[in-house]
Amino acid sequence: GESVGLHLPTLSVQEGDNSIINCAYSNSASDYFIWYKQESGKGPQFIIDIRSNMDKRQGQRVTVLLNKTVKHLSLQIAATQPGDSAVYFCAENTGRRALTFGSGTRLQVQP
Amino acid sequence: GAVVSQHPSRVICKSGTSVKIECRSLDFQATTMFWYRQFPKKSLMLMATSNEGSKATYEQGVEKDKFLINHASLTLSTLTVTSAHPEDSSFYICSAPTGQSGNTIYFGEGSWLTVV
Repeated sequence: GESVGLHLPTLSVQEGDNSIINCAYSNSASDYFIWYKQESGKGPQFIIDIRSNMDKRQGQRVTVLLNKTVKHLSLQIAATQPGDSAVYFCAENTGRRALTFGSGTRLQVQP
Repeated sequence: GAVVSQHPSRVICKSGTSVKIECRSLDFQATTMFWYRQFPKKSLMLMATSNEGSKATYEQGVEKDKFLINHASLTLSTLTVTSAHPEDSSFYICSAPTGQSGNTIYFGEGSWLTVV
């Protein structure tokens, strides 16, 4: 079936480096994508979103890239900080506002 | 501050009892809310869509008689886990969309349920 998945389950980076978290999706009907950060024991926290008519969107220290040709989504975090350590989920929205989540990537930032 | 509030954040109940989890939208009205379940180190799985003024829509495989959902008002949805068993222990999270297109989706802080 169609699903949203992530390439790497765990990503370890040094503080100050840039982080890239990848996500593959296969539902071509998805028109809206969101990245969430989840800290242990807490609910997901919105990071950044992008619509299917865009291929790049920037926020504060974060950038989301969307490649519809290969159905690939990535989250780039600049100057990664210890507070960025968490599990990151990509999610897709096919229009009914209930999200389909990927399996998650744990980001570990080494001081 | 939080725009979607869940209560309780943690609850322990005995097997066979029922427990209610509340999800409230703060500062906005939500005709639709979503309930998710998350097992440790796993992703969020949609359980059901809560609709104000009508029955909830359940995902395939989710027992509607076990997970009772009531959308009592435009700011409150409740999930009641009935006749709880240890396998129901999980992290339950609600979300509510808002914004012009409904694509701004806020999540609650989640509720840890432990059934002993």
